Amino acid sequence: KQEVTQIPAALSVPEGENLVLNCSFTDSAIYNLQWFRQDPGKGLTSLLLIQSSQREQTSGRLNASLDKSSGRSTLYIAASQPGDSATYLCAVRNSGNTPLVFGKGTRLSVIA
Amino acid sequence: ETGVTQSPTHLIKTRGQQVTLRCSSQSGHNTVSWYQQALGQGPQFIFQYYREEENGRGNFPPRFSGLQFPNYSSELNVNALELDDSALYLCASSPWGGGIGGYTFGSGTRLTVV
Repeated sequence: KQEVTQIPAALSVPEGENLVLNCSFTDSAIYNLQWFRQDPGKGLTSLLLIQSSQREQTSGRLNASLDKSSGRSTLYIAASQPGDSATYLCAVRNSGNTPLVFGKGTRLSVIA
Repeated sequence: ETGVTQSPTHLIKTRGQQVTLRCSSQSGHNTVSWYQQALGQGPQFIFQYYREEENGRGNFPPRFSGLQFPNYSSELNVNALELDDSALYLCASSPWGGGIGGYTFGSGTRLTVV
């Protein structure tokens, strides 16, 4: 059974700092991995999707990496801003037709 | 291209009642999945619908049921509501097989059971 763990559970950083969020999964035979952002009480916004054959994806100040063999992914946020404050969720899919398995998320606060 | 739309946004029900939540999938997506997210937790998979049939189910009791319509929209029904059913219910759509873009989520329905 796939399990996803995110560390740390919460993180508070000053504005401008670069930061890394971690995600680990127990079954390395994944189809893809997706990072989401969730604002309080809201739905999920997809940030980056990494297919199993890829090593990383970039979008603006965000970079996500994937190391399937070690069961790990990281989300790197450069030059953090107060608007980045949200919960970041990592989710994996074991095949194209199976559901996403989520971690509990990392709650990020960027202090101005 | 429209995204995923869920209704209602908020709902308050009494224990023992029944509730129906609705979801319109993104254009071009034929698979709809429902997730339950309790406070402070990650979303948990309830079930998935493809071609109007349930195609995968998580660890939820039969009082959680659903429908998918020919236009790929979907409903989640919960009977005999319990206090622990209070959560954010998320709908997600995708092409069958995942596609390149992965899942697209709606804004969710906040259900409170009192």
